[in-house]
Amino acid sequence: GDKVKQSPSALSLQEGTNSALRCNFSIAATTVQWFLQNPRGSLINLFYLVPGTKENGRLKSAFDSKESYSTLHIRDAQLEDSGTYFCAGETGNTGKLIFGLGTTLQVQP
Amino acid sequence: DAGVTQTPRHEVAEKGQTIILKCEPVSGHNDLFWYRQTKIQGLELLSYFRSKSLMEDGGAFKDRFKAEMLNSSFSTLKIQPTEPKDSAVYLCASSLEGAEQFFGPGTRLTVL
Repeated sequence: GDKVKQSPSALSLQEGTNSALRCNFSIAATTVQWFLQNPRGSLINLFYLVPGTKENGRLKSAFDSKESYSTLHIRDAQLEDSGTYFCAGETGNTGKLIFGLGTTLQVQP
Repeated sequence: DAGVTQTPRHEVAEKGQTIILKCEPVSGHNDLFWYRQTKIQGLELLSYFRSKSLMEDGGAFKDRFKAEMLNSSFSTLKIQPTEPKDSAVYLCASSLEGAEQFFGPGTRLTVL
């Protein structure tokens, strides 16, 4: 958790609103991955990023390797977006990921 | 295509027993990872294989944890002997050459 810090640790949103999650790295991350762990416990890969941005539906993610941070933006939050979001950084070309401790998101109707 | 599969989904063991967890990666993936997930420590890497070669054997987990990959489509994680502090969810993931990691459903281990 020290090498990859996620904020906030928990978040509650009303359906239809927007929010941003952040991940700060104290490692020299070369790629970043974002995952959603749903209430059943399954970890779903949302994004694999080299420096730059990607968008998928209501989700958008950015990775700035020079400033060592990544963000995940959620637009028009839906109930099914609830769960814990993890970011993870890879250093070098090892394939190994170092995970943050997660942001737990609850979307309220 | 089948995703990553793990068996069993749940395991209950007595302290001191030996347990073996199993994982089948996504077909064609050459990286395989074993993680342990707890509420306090989060996701911790236990072992990492690339093309069946052990790249990381988990440092602090070395003494009682042993992962093996006898062929490209099957891996095991043995815990011997088990201790109550080993109670956690054990996750297996695979990827192709360090790209997106895909996770299995996990094995929830309870050690009494």
